[in-house]
Amino acid sequence: KNQVEQSPQSLIILEGKNCTLQCNYTVSPFSNLRWYKQDTGRGPVSLTIMTFSENTKSNGRYTATLDADTKQSSLHITASQLSDSASYICVVSPGYALNFGKGTSLLVTP
Amino acid sequence: GAVVSQHPSRVICKSGTSVKIECRSLDFQATTMFWYRQFPKQSLMLMATSNEGSKATYEQGVEKDKFLINHASLTLSTLTVTSAHPEDSSFYICSANEGRDSPLHFGNGTRLTVT
Repeated sequence: KNQVEQSPQSLIILEGKNCTLQCNYTVSPFSNLRWYKQDTGRGPVSLTIMTFSENTKSNGRYTATLDADTKQSSLHITASQLSDSASYICVVSPGYALNFGKGTSLLVTP
Repeated sequence: GAVVSQHPSRVICKSGTSVKIECRSLDFQATTMFWYRQFPKQSLMLMATSNEGSKATYEQGVEKDKFLINHASLTLSTLTVTSAHPEDSSFYICSANEGRDSPLHFGNGTRLTVT
């Protein structure tokens, strides 16, 4: 069964600190892995998308990594800001469907 | 950049009535659009895949006669919640992309409240 597991479920960090969110998956075959940021009450916004051959991709203070061998991905947020408070969703696709993780809820406090 | 527009953003309706939600791709053609439902503090749950010019593909457990999907053009898909009940109250989101490995663009969602 294709599954996407995210950890931690929730996280609280101080403004300015870094954090790393994890995504482990069992989806096979693998086409791409996407990270999204979802603010409360809004639709998700794409942060990164990586295919099999890509190990890392950055979008500003967000850096995603992918290890297709171990089926793990991480999203690293550098120098967090209050506006980073949101849910971060990992989505893995075998090409014909999307498998969503349950998300990590991040709260950045002053 | 590509944008997906969803309308309305909020709707309140009475039990037994029907509600239509529109999802438009504004600057690209989308042969496939997706409809999701999201309960508070939960992740997105795929309801159905909307295919232009053909019938939608529904996920297991989603009633196709209750959630009517029409994808009449390459830029518009609609979701109609028929005979709405309070348990249908939820956040409904659509998405579309330009190709298999391209970013998936989401609408801003529709908050449906059935009284």
